[in-house]
Order: sequence, then C-alpha cells, then structure tokens
Amino acid sequence: AQSVTQLGSHVSVSEGALVLLRCNYSSSVPPYLFWYVQYPNQGLQLLLKYTTGATLVKGINGFEAEFKKSETSFHLTKPSAHMSDAAEYFCAVSSGGYQKVTFGTGTKLQVIP
Amino acid sequence: EADIYQTPRYLVIGTGKKITLECSQTMGHDKMYWYQQDPGMELHLIHYSYGVNSTEKGDLSSESTVSRIRTEHFPLTLESARPSHTSQYLCASSEGGGITDTQYFGPGTRLTVL
Repeated sequence: AQSVTQLGSHVSVSEGALVLLRCNYSSSVPPYLFWYVQYPNQGLQLLLKYTTGATLVKGINGFEAEFKKSETSFHLTKPSAHMSDAAEYFCAVSSGGYQKVTFGTGTKLQVIP
Repeated sequence: EADIYQTPRYLVIGTGKKITLECSQTMGHDKMYWYQQDPGMELHLIHYSYGVNSTEKGDLSSESTVSRIRTEHFPLTLESARPSHTSQYLCASSEGGGITDTQYFGPGTRLTVL
C-alpha cells in the first residue's frame, strides 16, 4: 500500500518569507513523488517530481523539494514567497507495486502582503 | 502546454436527472482518468482508461459510468443524480501508463445536485 500525509491543511506566510510545505509518504517499495499546484478554479499542474537520481529536485516558479528516504519525506520549499504562490498544493506518490498515483489532502498556502 | 478541457465548468441540477460531464484532450494521450475532489480530502480516482474501449473502476466506488470510444474523449455519466454526488470532478490524462508519468488536469466540473 502507499499513502501520503500532508501536515497542515492551511499555511500562511508573509510575502518574501520562506515557504515550507510538508509531505511524508508511506510506500513498501521505492516511491516516485510529485508536487502539484492548483490555482483557484483551475486543475492541478505539475510543480516537480522525483523519480530517480538527484534527491534535490527543482521545479517551476522557484520551488524545490528534497527526497529524504530516511525520513520518508518530500517537503516543498521556496526561499521567498510571492503573492502569486497563493494556491493549494498536493503531494502525491506512486510506486511499482501499486500502479496508481495517490494524492494527499492538500495544503492551502496563503501569502500575506 | 497541456490541452485538456472539461464542460460544463459548473452544473446545478435536480435529483434524478441524467448528466454527462465532458472531457477532451488534444495531446493524443492514451491514459485518462476521472477524480473526485472534495474540500480537505485527497483526490479519489473513480475511473481510468488505458485507451480506446478500455475502462476500469478506480479506488473510490462511484455510481457513475464512463466510455472511451475515441482517444481524445472520456465522458462521465450519472444516470440519476443524487445530492451525494455533489462534488468537483477532475479529468486528467497522461502520455503513458508509467507510474512516473506526469498527469495533466482539466479545470474541473463543479457539480451541485439539489
């Protein structure tokens, strides 16, 4: 089985502050991990994904995430929040033994001017 | 950029009505999906398709049905809508069936059944 836990359904940061959105996964086999973003009234779009290789993954809009196997985590970060980053962020996992993608419950990011 | 479309974007209907939610993609992707999204809940896969004439039920039991007669088209039908069907429905597609493939999502249909 595989699962994803996103800590914090709502996160607020000030414009210019560090963004940290937490994601922990559970998988019995090596996982593939994704972060998707959903802007209001839109579908999800891929921010970044980890498949193999380098554990620090860079995505669009200045976001990056680091795969830490020992901590079973894949936290999303951005050094400086921008107003346009306000959206809902979904972490997702897929693995070889379970040929589907499992999404987390999402974290809504609010950016305060 | 991904091109996947859903219509209608918003739908309010009465109980017992038959409805079809449309989903089309212009990318030639073989695999398509329908998810149900409710606030504070994970996305639940309700149907998927590997290609024309192939459809499977997802993890979440759903009273809806789907068809895949053409590669680009993956409509979802509710024969008799009920208030419990009120939700947001997201359609997605991916180029292959691999577990590392990126899924491309449509904007969603927000369904309200009175």
